[in-house]
Amino acid sequence: GQQLNQSPQSMFIQEGEDVSMNCTSSSIFNTWLWYKQDPGEGPVLLIALYKAGELTSNGRLTAQFGITRKDSFLNISASIPSDVGIYFCAGQAGNTPLVFGKGTRLSVIA
Amino acid sequence: NAGVTQTPKFQVLKTGQSMTLQCAQDMNHEYMSWYRQDPGMGLRLIHYSVGAGITDQGEVPNGYNVSRSTTEDFPLRLLSAAPSQTSVYFCASSYSRPTGRNSPLHFGNGTRLTVT
Repeated sequence: GQQLNQSPQSMFIQEGEDVSMNCTSSSIFNTWLWYKQDPGEGPVLLIALYKAGELTSNGRLTAQFGITRKDSFLNISASIPSDVGIYFCAGQAGNTPLVFGKGTRLSVIA
Repeated sequence: NAGVTQTPKFQVLKTGQSMTLQCAQDMNHEYMSWYRQDPGMGLRLIHYSVGAGITDQGEVPNGYNVSRSTTEDFPLRLLSAAPSQTSVYFCASSYSRPTGRNSPLHFGNGTRLTVT
């Protein structure tokens, strides 16, 4: 089946720092999504990307759909304590179900 | 709208017991799915449904049954619970499949299941 490699697994950063995480796939996707999960809750959609090369922002978050259609990255600028959580990438090819990465656990030190 | 509602929030079972995890959505979504989340494994798809009366297997379907008799409900059944099924289970729904611009996947808040 399709595999997504998400990195890093975890990050410890100082408040105010920028964060970058990425996902790579062994196959081509036509949709990339980024979700955030707060403790005790379900994942919530942050950004959706539907076109190769697409760069989309949502506040301090920016995500890009890689030109090769096999990767995507998420950047968070000027991190704040409420950015703490697990970030998941997810990809979809054609009519197949979404495939999720294993997540990046972000910790922000005030 | 309540969104995606999962019950119960927590459950402890003994090996061999059966139970049903409930999932309901009030957004008239055609697509519903069940995921399990384990440490270091991310979210893995168990079963999904593209509409009432239609279900299909995901990546890890063994040990689980589903049915979709109505658009709103998509229960997940464990017929004989095993310790390997200890996990957090998430139900998710979207307007349609594949996930399009106007059809993001919405998640419930999860059911934490422990099998002893």
